[in-house]
Parts: sequence; C-alpha cells; structure tokens
Amino acid sequence: AQSVAQPEDQVNVAEGNPLTVKCTYSVSGNPYLFWYVQYPNRGLQFLLKYITGDNLVKGSYGFEAEFNKSQTSFHLKKPSALVSDSALYFCAVRGPVRAGNQGGKLIFGQGTELSVKP
Amino acid sequence: DSGVTQTPKHLITATGQRVTLRCSPRSGDLSVYWYQQSLDQGLQFLIHYYNGEERAKGNILERFSAQQFPDLHSELNLSSLELGDSALYFCASSVDYRADTNYGYTFGSGTRLTVV
Repeated sequence: AQSVAQPEDQVNVAEGNPLTVKCTYSVSGNPYLFWYVQYPNRGLQFLLKYITGDNLVKGSYGFEAEFNKSQTSFHLKKPSALVSDSALYFCAVRGPVRAGNQGGKLIFGQGTELSVKP
Repeated sequence: DSGVTQTPKHLITATGQRVTLRCSPRSGDLSVYWYQQSLDQGLQFLIHYYNGEERAKGNILERFSAQQFPDLHSELNLSSLELGDSALYFCASSVDYRADTNYGYTFGSGTRLTVV
C-alpha cells in the first residue's frame, strides 16, 4: 500500500540557517510525490512535486526537494530559512492508479511543524 | 486564490444536525477529492469524484455522503453530526492524470466545521 512518513513532528531552525523536513515513502510503481505547506487557518498550498526527471526539484518560495529512490526519501530543503517559513508542512504521495479511478488520491504524511526563530 | 472555491468558510451547528459543504473545482479539472483534517487524525481522504462519478472511497462515515453535479461542483453532506465531526474539510481538484507533466492537485481554503 502507498504510504508516507514524516518522522519529525516538529523542526526548529534559526533564521538564516538551512532547513530540512524529512519524508520517506512506500509505493508500488513509480512515485508521484508532493510537498504542501499550510499556514494557520489557511488551506494547503502547493510547493513542489516530483513526477519524473531530475532528482532535485525546485519549487515555490525557494524550497527544493531531493528525490532519492534508493533511500525512498523526498526531503524538503531550503538553504536559508525565514521566520515567515514557519508553518505546517505535508509530504504526500499519489495513491495507486487503477482502471476507473482516474488518477488516484493523495496520501498525506502526518505533517511536520516548522518553527523558524529570529 | 487557488481557483478551488469552498463555501462556507465557517460553519457552527448543533449535534444531530445536517450540513452541506460545497466545492467548485478549478476550471477544467474533472476530479474532486474531499479530505477531513482533524488534530488527532491528520489529513484523511474521504472520497473522490471524477466527472460526476464516484471513483474511490476512503475513511468516510456512513453518515457522510457526497456527489458531483454536471457542472462539476461537488457537495459533501454530513448528517447526524457529532462533536467529533468538528474539523477542517478540504476539497481539491486535479487535472487528468494522463497529463503527467502538468499533474497536480489544487486545494481550496477549506470549511471549518464546529459542532456544538
């Protein structure tokens, strides 16, 4: 079964330092992987996705993620964190595509709360 | 504005009542997905509709039902509400998965349901 794990409930980083939010996945077949961010009382905003191509994916707001097939990981990174990056981050994998389901649902990890202090 | 519209933004209702949440997908998207976000359960998939037909069901209670109309908007009906149904309900829409390079999911801003 497709699944996603975010091993850290919370990540604390000082402003200006690099940040990493971890995600590992389990899929059958080729993974379609996504990162979303949720600010307080807001919806989910798309950051980036990996479907095919380069293992290093660049996304919105200076974020990037590295797809590592051997380690089944898709960690989110940013070279220099901002206080405004503080939010809840979700990793997700597309569920299995079967005849008739037209693409499959997103399966989310539990989320990681990122806190960036000045 | 993501292009996915959810109404209402907030809803407060009493236990035992019935409510309807509405979602209008992004223009051109045929798929609508409903999710429930609660503190203890995280983001849980409820149901997926594609072009008016149900395609997949997740952890959706029998008290909940959904449908997608010919104009592609979708409604999630929650009945016999309980305190534990209080949550943020999101819908998302997506393009055809066969358009791989453009494939993605766009989320609405959610409806916050409070059952008192």
